[in-house]
Amino acid sequence: GNSVTQMEGPVTLSEEAFLTINCTYTATGYPSLFWYVQYPGEGLQLLLKATKADDKGSNKGFEATYRKETTSFHLEKGSVQVSDSAVYFCALVKDTDKLIFGTGTRLQVFP
Amino acid sequence: NAGVMQNPRHLVRRRGQEARLRCSPMKGHSHVYWYRQLPEEGLKFMVYLQKENIIDESGMPKERFSAEFPKEGPSILRIQQVVRGDSAAYFCASSPSGLNTEAFFGQGTRLTVV
Repeated sequence: GNSVTQMEGPVTLSEEAFLTINCTYTATGYPSLFWYVQYPGEGLQLLLKATKADDKGSNKGFEATYRKETTSFHLEKGSVQVSDSAVYFCALVKDTDKLIFGTGTRLQVFP
Repeated sequence: NAGVMQNPRHLVRRRGQEARLRCSPMKGHSHVYWYRQLPEEGLKFMVYLQKENIIDESGMPKERFSAEFPKEGPSILRIQQVVRGDSAAYFCASSPSGLNTEAFFGQGTRLTVV
Protein backbone atom coordinates (compact mmCIF):
# COMPACT_ATOMS: atom_id res chain seq x y z
CA GLY A 1 0.00 0.00 0.00
CA ASN A 2 0.91 3.66 -0.11
CA SER A 3 3.08 4.94 2.71
CA VAL A 4 5.35 7.75 3.82
CA THR A 5 8.54 7.41 5.85
CA GLN A 6 10.13 10.36 7.63
CA MET A 7 13.33 10.71 9.57
CA GLU A 8 12.83 10.44 13.30
CA GLY A 9 13.21 13.48 15.47
CA PRO A 10 13.72 15.54 17.27
CA VAL A 11 15.95 17.58 15.04
CA THR A 12 17.76 20.17 17.14
CA LEU A 13 19.42 23.12 15.45
CA SER A 14 20.82 26.50 16.28
CA GLU A 15 19.26 29.56 14.70
CA GLU A 16 20.47 30.19 11.11
CA ALA A 17 21.54 26.58 10.62
CA PHE A 18 20.64 24.59 7.49
CA LEU A 19 17.69 22.23 7.78
CA THR A 20 16.99 18.97 6.01
CA ILE A 21 14.14 16.65 6.96
CA ASN A 22 14.11 13.49 4.89
CA CYS A 23 10.92 12.01 3.46
CA THR A 24 10.53 9.03 1.17
CA TYR A 25 7.35 7.49 -0.11
CA THR A 26 5.97 4.27 -1.51
CA ALA A 27 3.20 4.52 -4.07
CA THR A 28 2.32 3.39 -7.54
CA GLY A 29 2.21 5.98 -10.23
CA TYR A 30 2.50 9.66 -9.42
CA PRO A 31 1.05 10.76 -6.10
CA SER A 32 0.86 14.39 -5.05
CA LEU A 33 3.25 15.20 -2.21
CA PHE A 34 2.84 17.65 0.66
CA TRP A 35 4.57 19.06 3.69
CA TYR A 36 2.37 20.17 6.58
CA VAL A 37 3.49 22.00 9.72
CA GLN A 38 1.91 21.77 13.16
CA TYR A 39 2.70 24.41 15.75
CA PRO A 40 2.16 23.55 19.42
CA GLY A 41 -1.50 23.17 20.27
CA GLU A 42 -2.62 23.87 16.73
CA GLY A 43 -3.92 22.02 13.71
CA LEU A 44 -1.97 21.31 10.57
CA GLN A 45 -1.17 23.97 8.03
CA LEU A 46 -0.13 23.26 4.49
CA LEU A 47 3.47 24.38 4.03
CA LEU A 48 4.11 23.39 0.42
CA LYS A 49 3.20 20.83 -2.19
CA ALA A 50 4.26 19.31 -5.50
CA THR A 51 2.02 17.43 -7.87
CA LYS A 52 4.40 15.96 -10.44
CA ALA A 53 7.95 14.74 -10.81
CA ASP A 54 10.69 17.41 -10.66
CA ASP A 55 8.26 20.01 -9.32
CA LYS A 56 9.67 22.15 -6.53
CA GLY A 57 7.32 23.39 -3.84
CA SER A 58 8.40 26.42 -1.84
CA ASN A 59 7.01 28.65 0.88
CA LYS A 60 8.41 30.81 3.70
CA GLY A 61 11.98 29.86 2.78
CA PHE A 62 11.23 26.12 2.82
CA GLU A 63 11.69 24.02 -0.32
CA ALA A 64 11.12 20.44 -1.38
CA THR A 65 11.64 18.79 -4.77
CA TYR A 66 9.60 15.83 -6.01
CA ARG A 67 12.18 13.20 -6.97
CA LYS A 68 10.57 10.28 -8.76
CA GLU A 69 13.85 8.39 -9.23
CA THR A 70 14.53 8.29 -5.47
CA THR A 71 10.86 8.50 -4.39
CA SER A 72 11.77 11.36 -2.10
CA PHE A 73 10.46 14.77 -1.10
CA HIS A 74 13.03 16.12 1.37
CA LEU A 75 12.28 19.40 3.13
CA GLU A 76 15.05 22.01 3.25
CA LYS A 77 15.57 25.49 4.58
CA GLY A 78 18.76 27.48 4.33
CA SER A 79 18.52 29.36 7.61
CA VAL A 80 16.09 28.31 10.32
CA GLN A 81 14.57 30.59 12.93
CA VAL A 82 13.33 29.91 16.44
CA SER A 83 9.80 30.47 15.12
CA ASP A 84 10.22 27.45 12.82
CA SER A 85 10.11 25.14 15.84
CA ALA A 86 7.20 22.80 15.16
CA VAL A 87 6.35 19.31 13.98
CA TYR A 88 6.62 18.73 10.23
CA PHE A 89 4.60 16.08 8.44
CA CYS A 90 5.24 14.69 4.99
CA ALA A 91 2.15 13.36 3.23
CA LEU A 92 0.90 11.98 -0.05
CA VAL A 93 -2.38 11.69 -1.87
CA LYS A 94 -3.12 9.03 -4.42
CA ASP A 95 -6.21 7.66 -6.04
CA THR A 96 -8.32 7.22 -2.92
CA ASP A 97 -8.13 10.93 -2.16
CA LYS A 98 -7.14 10.62 1.46
CA LEU A 99 -3.93 12.09 2.81
CA ILE A 100 -1.44 9.54 4.10
CA PHE A 101 0.94 11.02 6.64
CA GLY A 102 4.37 10.19 7.91
CA THR A 103 4.89 10.04 11.65
CA GLY A 104 6.11 13.62 11.84
CA THR A 105 9.49 15.14 12.70
CA ARG A 106 9.82 17.56 15.58
CA LEU A 107 12.15 20.50 14.91
CA GLN A 108 13.60 22.47 17.80
CA VAL A 109 15.53 25.63 17.00
CA PHE A 110 17.52 27.35 19.74
CA PRO A 111 18.80 30.93 19.73
CA ASN B 1 -14.35 33.04 4.88
CA ALA B 2 -13.88 31.31 8.19
CA GLY B 3 -11.62 28.30 8.30
CA VAL B 4 -12.55 24.80 9.36
CA MET B 5 -14.22 25.06 12.76
CA GLN B 6 -14.06 22.28 15.26
CA ASN B 7 -15.71 22.20 18.64
CA PRO B 8 -15.20 21.71 21.38
CA ARG B 9 -11.44 22.34 21.47
CA HIS B 10 -11.11 20.25 24.60
CA LEU B 11 -13.44 17.52 25.79
CA VAL B 12 -13.19 15.46 28.95
CA ARG B 13 -15.27 12.32 29.31
CA ARG B 14 -15.43 9.56 31.87
CA ARG B 15 -15.04 5.99 30.72
CA GLY B 16 -18.33 4.69 29.31
CA GLN B 17 -19.69 8.10 28.30
CA GLU B 18 -20.30 9.31 24.77
CA ALA B 19 -18.17 11.89 22.97
CA ARG B 20 -19.50 14.03 20.12
CA LEU B 21 -17.04 16.00 18.06
CA ARG B 22 -18.23 18.60 15.56
CA CYS B 23 -16.65 19.90 12.41
CA SER B 24 -17.94 22.71 10.22
CA PRO B 25 -16.05 22.71 6.92
CA MET B 26 -15.04 25.81 5.07
CA LYS B 27 -17.79 27.45 3.05
CA GLY B 28 -18.20 25.71 -0.28
CA HIS B 29 -16.35 22.57 0.81
CA SER B 30 -18.32 19.36 0.49
CA HIS B 31 -15.57 16.87 1.39
CA VAL B 32 -14.74 16.18 5.04
CA TYR B 33 -12.01 13.96 6.47
CA TRP B 34 -11.44 12.91 10.07
CA TYR B 35 -8.00 12.01 11.44
CA ARG B 36 -6.82 10.87 14.84
CA GLN B 37 -3.48 11.82 16.35
CA LEU B 38 -2.27 9.82 19.30
CA PRO B 39 0.33 11.43 21.57
CA GLU B 40 3.72 11.69 19.85
CA GLU B 41 2.39 9.96 16.73
CA GLY B 42 1.37 10.97 13.23
CA LEU B 43 -2.14 11.41 11.94
CA LYS B 44 -4.14 8.33 11.08
CA PHE B 45 -7.00 8.53 8.61
CA MET B 46 -10.37 7.55 10.01
CA VAL B 47 -13.18 8.44 7.62
CA TYR B 48 -13.97 10.42 4.48
CA LEU B 49 -17.43 11.85 3.94
CA GLN B 50 -19.27 13.90 1.41
CA LYS B 51 -22.66 15.41 2.09
CA GLU B 52 -24.92 12.62 3.38
CA ASN B 53 -22.52 9.90 2.23
CA ILE B 54 -19.66 7.96 3.77
CA ILE B 55 -17.10 7.47 1.04
CA ASP B 56 -14.34 5.65 2.91
CA GLU B 57 -14.43 4.50 6.52
CA SER B 58 -11.54 2.08 6.28
CA GLY B 59 -9.66 3.76 9.12
CA MET B 60 -12.48 3.85 11.62
CA PRO B 61 -12.84 1.18 14.32
CA LYS B 62 -15.79 -1.07 13.59
CA GLU B 63 -17.29 -0.67 17.04
CA ARG B 64 -18.26 2.41 19.05
CA PHE B 65 -17.23 4.90 16.34
CA SER B 66 -19.56 6.49 13.80
CA ALA B 67 -19.52 9.57 11.60
CA GLU B 68 -22.04 11.55 9.64
CA PHE B 69 -22.16 14.63 7.46
CA PRO B 70 -25.81 15.63 7.08
CA LYS B 71 -27.24 17.82 4.38
CA GLU B 72 -27.51 20.65 6.86
CA GLY B 73 -25.16 21.25 9.74
CA PRO B 74 -21.70 20.10 10.76
CA SER B 75 -20.06 16.74 10.42
CA ILE B 76 -20.21 14.73 13.64
CA LEU B 77 -17.76 12.11 14.87
CA ARG B 78 -19.40 10.08 17.61
CA ILE B 79 -17.59 7.79 20.02
CA GLN B 80 -19.77 5.68 22.25
CA GLN B 81 -18.68 4.15 25.55
CA VAL B 82 -15.30 5.85 25.48
CA VAL B 83 -12.22 4.11 26.86
CA ARG B 84 -8.86 5.53 27.95
CA GLY B 85 -7.32 4.52 24.62
CA ASP B 86 -9.64 6.92 22.81
CA SER B 87 -7.76 9.85 24.34
CA ALA B 88 -6.25 11.67 21.39
CA ALA B 89 -6.50 14.75 19.24
CA TYR B 90 -9.11 14.45 16.51
CA PHE B 91 -8.65 16.62 13.46
CA CYS B 92 -11.09 17.42 10.73
CA ALA B 93 -10.08 18.58 7.26
CA SER B 94 -12.18 19.83 4.40
CA SER B 95 -11.62 20.36 0.70
CA PRO B 96 -13.76 21.55 -2.17
CA SER B 97 -13.22 18.48 -4.33
CA GLY B 98 -10.76 15.80 -3.30
CA LEU B 99 -7.46 16.31 -1.54
CA ASN B 100 -5.34 16.76 -4.62
CA THR B 101 -6.44 20.36 -4.47
CA GLU B 102 -5.75 21.30 -0.88
CA ALA B 103 -7.02 20.19 2.49
CA PHE B 104 -7.66 22.73 5.23
CA PHE B 105 -7.44 21.48 8.77
CA GLY B 106 -9.28 22.58 11.86
CA GLN B 107 -7.52 23.15 15.17
CA GLY B 108 -8.65 19.82 16.48
CA THR B 109 -10.56 18.50 19.46
CA ARG B 110 -8.45 17.08 22.24
CA LEU B 111 -10.38 14.29 23.92
CA THR B 112 -9.32 13.13 27.35
CA VAL B 113 -10.95 10.08 28.85
CA VAL B 114 -10.61 9.83 32.62
